[in-house]
Amino acid sequence: GAVVSQHPSWVICKSGTSVKIECRSLDFQATTMFWYRQFPKQSLMLMATSNEGSKATYEQGVEKDKFLINHASLTLSTLTVTSAHPEDSSFYICSARSPGHNTGELFFGEGSRLTVL
Amino acid sequence: LAKTTQPISMDSYEGQEVNITCSHNNIATNDYITWYQQFPSQGPRFIIQGYKTKVTNEVASLFIPADRKSSTLSLPRVSLSDTAVYYCLVGDIGSNYQLIWGAGTKLIIKP
Repeated sequence: GAVVSQHPSWVICKSGTSVKIECRSLDFQATTMFWYRQFPKQSLMLMATSNEGSKATYEQGVEKDKFLINHASLTLSTLTVTSAHPEDSSFYICSARSPGHNTGELFFGEGSRLTVL
Repeated sequence: LAKTTQPISMDSYEGQEVNITCSHNNIATNDYITWYQQFPSQGPRFIIQGYKTKVTNEVASLFIPADRKSSTLSLPRVSLSDTAVYYCLVGDIGSNYQLIWGAGTKLIIKP
């Protein structure tokens, strides 16, 4: 299957700092990527849809100024958590569709665990 | 976007066949049914997708009745490594394909 890679896998930061998470499609081009957040023992929650070359579409309740998304190329989308606070600690996951695979099949990154102290 | 309902948890034993049923009463005409598997601290992984009747691949089968208001994921001869959370999702794959993730079913396989 197609490969989506995230970096870093885990990060610990101090409250008030910003953290950038990268999501790359390694063997295909992704015009659209999705960013999710998952708290312990809970399901995935869609945060935003990242569109290459245009602004991201955020889900209701997600602060766009806090969670900055940039999709500058067809293989890279970044999520920056600005002025992180302990309540932002979570597992962040990105996904993308690959044109060469089953229509509708989403490929997910390994996830990035953020811990804000 | 159609909402799904699954059992919160299930237990089974190695070598058994496991069937997980998902309800999606308000599924739309253009919606497909997709199942994902997730291990702790990993991103979900695609298992199988279908629209109607039966779909089978190398790891699972998906049974969808004619009214499409439910679906059943069948895992043949499970092993301990199949212990995971299984999500049933319904959505229009021809659109932007935003999905609503339900709580999933935590499947625990015992030796």
